[in-house]
Parts: sequence; C-alpha cells; structure tokens
Amino acid sequence: DAGVTQSPTHLIKTRGQQVTLRCSPKSGHDTVSWYQQALGQGPQFIFQYYEEEERQRGNFPDRFSGHQFPNYSSELNVNALLLGDSALYLCASSLRGQLAKNIQYFGAGTRLSVL
Amino acid sequence: SQKIEQNSEALNIQEGKTATLTCNYTNYSPAYLQWYRQDPGRGPVFLLLIRENEKEKRKERLKVTFDTTLKQSLFHITASQPADSATYLCALVLGFTYGNNRLAFGKGNQVVVIP
Repeated sequence: DAGVTQSPTHLIKTRGQQVTLRCSPKSGHDTVSWYQQALGQGPQFIFQYYEEEERQRGNFPDRFSGHQFPNYSSELNVNALLLGDSALYLCASSLRGQLAKNIQYFGAGTRLSVL
Repeated sequence: SQKIEQNSEALNIQEGKTATLTCNYTNYSPAYLQWYRQDPGRGPVFLLLIRENEKEKRKERLKVTFDTTLKQSLFHITASQPADSATYLCALVLGFTYGNNRLAFGKGNQVVVIP
C-alpha cells in the first residue's frame, strides 16, 4: 500500500521565481492538505483540498495556491518566491469519512531553498 | 493571541524510564488533540488522538491525557527505548465538522533516550 508521495525531494530557487510541488495521496484517501514547516517549528497549515476545491485555508498569502486533480493528487504553487518561503513543504492525506478527527498521513516533504 | 506551547528544550532520558511531554494551549477550544512523531528528514507520523471529553487514552507504551480545564495534554512514553528518540508534536483539531477541522501544531519537543 503506497503511502503519500511527494516530488521533488529537494528544490533550489531564487527570489521572485515560481515553484510547483506535487503530491500523491495514500491509496484510498480523497483529501489533501499542505503544510509549511520552517526549521525548528511545527507544521503550519496552508490549505486543504477535496473534491477538487479548496475547502479550508490557513493564514498564507495568495501567492500560495493549489490544485487537486480527479485522481486526488495535488499541486502546491508558490509565486514570487521570498527568502522566507524556504522550508520543508509537507503534503498530508486523509479520508473524508473520518469526519472531524482529521488524522493526517504525511509524505516525507519537499525541501525548498530560496536563494 | 492563540498559542500552542511545547517545551523547547530536548528531554534527555535514560532507557527504561518514562518520558513525559507537555502541550499547553491558550485561546483555543479544540475538538480533538493529536500527537505525532517526527524523525529527522521525515514527515510526522500519527500516534494517538484524544477527544475533548476523554481524560486518558493508551496505545501500547504510549499514554495521553487531556485536561480541557487546564488546557493541557500530557504525553507519556513508558519503558522508553533508544528507538523512541524523535521529535513529538502536539496538534489541535480546531473544528467539529469536516471542512472546518484544520490542525494547529505546536513546535514539537525532542526526546533523546540514552542507552
């Protein structure tokens, strides 16, 4: 049973560029959430997708956008990169049938460095 | 302001002893509280969930308590082993309904079990 997979594992960009990160959820899961984890910090919720729509959003600017595809996979796009966007970006999947419990299954993350 | 506080200092503990971690929160009313384990370079892994009306939950050598009056959760690892060395994250589930149940994480607390 494949878990959550993310690509790429590492990425180096320069300020002002745009980046796209990809995620495939755990088999059978229909909901994808994205988190940003800075060094020494806990994950910060960016947004959650199910049924191909953004359903919840954390306190992140519009430079952060996403998409969910019919096969439940997802992309995170960040425009106009800032140095402060350097972080580990985590994708997590969950099952809508869990209702409110929202147990997250995380991928290994994409390490983004902005120079 | 809303805060989730975990001890920033690493907990060094002798093998076989009980490790106890604390998660305090302010200005939140979580429906559930979760604990995750995170190893270096990996995504968090779900361990336990406890509801607001539950006092204690156990899973093998792990025990979680939840006191909504004190706004505090304690996480215990009994008979600790070197393999338990990791960072442990506390997460609050902030809503009661699907679509309104984002997670808010603490910074995490590192545990080092000394053989």
